[in-house]
Amino acid sequence: GIQVEQSPPDLILQEGANSTLRCNFSDSVNNLQWFHQNPWGQLINLFYIPSGTKQNGRLSATTVATERYSLLYISSSQTTDSGVYFCAVPSIYSGGYNKLIFGAGTRLAVHP
Amino acid sequence: SAVISQKPSRDICQRGTSLTIQCQVDSQVTMMFWYRQQPGQSLTLIATANQGSEATYESGFVIDKFPISRPNLTFSTLTVSNMSPEDSSIYLCSATGLGGNQPQHFGDGTRLSIL
Repeated sequence: GIQVEQSPPDLILQEGANSTLRCNFSDSVNNLQWFHQNPWGQLINLFYIPSGTKQNGRLSATTVATERYSLLYISSSQTTDSGVYFCAVPSIYSGGYNKLIFGAGTRLAVHP
Repeated sequence: SAVISQKPSRDICQRGTSLTIQCQVDSQVTMMFWYRQQPGQSLTLIATANQGSEATYESGFVIDKFPISRPNLTFSTLTVSNMSPEDSSIYLCSATGLGGNQPQHFGDGTRLSIL
């Protein structure tokens, strides 16, 4: 099945710093999602980005489907950005609908 | 986007008992899924909840341990049966909206601890 690899596994930042998180996937996909899991365990949708670039405030994401990777940019990081960032891609489900395969995540800690 | 409510949000249970988790979506959705997240790990799909028929389980998960119901388009339950400490995890429900290539949205999860 499709493999999803995220890097780096852990990241420590000083508040105000910028960072780039990477997601590589082993096969062609028709969509990709980025999530943020906060310290309380809630999984928050950040981006649904099959290809191209999207921006939402201090966060932006770029997916290059032909090269099988996606990047999540965090600018001017804040302590509230701490948590785990997951990317997930669909694996074709026999019923014709996609189920998500998650990467192992990048654990981010932003210190004041 | 769909709003997904799960309950309970957390529970502490004795080994050998069972717990049923409920998932309610505020709009009609096509697919509903149940995931498990063991401590410090990523999310793993348990099964796809099919409306009006038996759920489709992933490798390593069986119906006797994780029975699932989906009586209509907006509601599903997951039961964790005969629990042991190894079942201590966060269990999350997700759903996709009508139409093709829709993003998945997740509930807030149920944090389960087994003593």
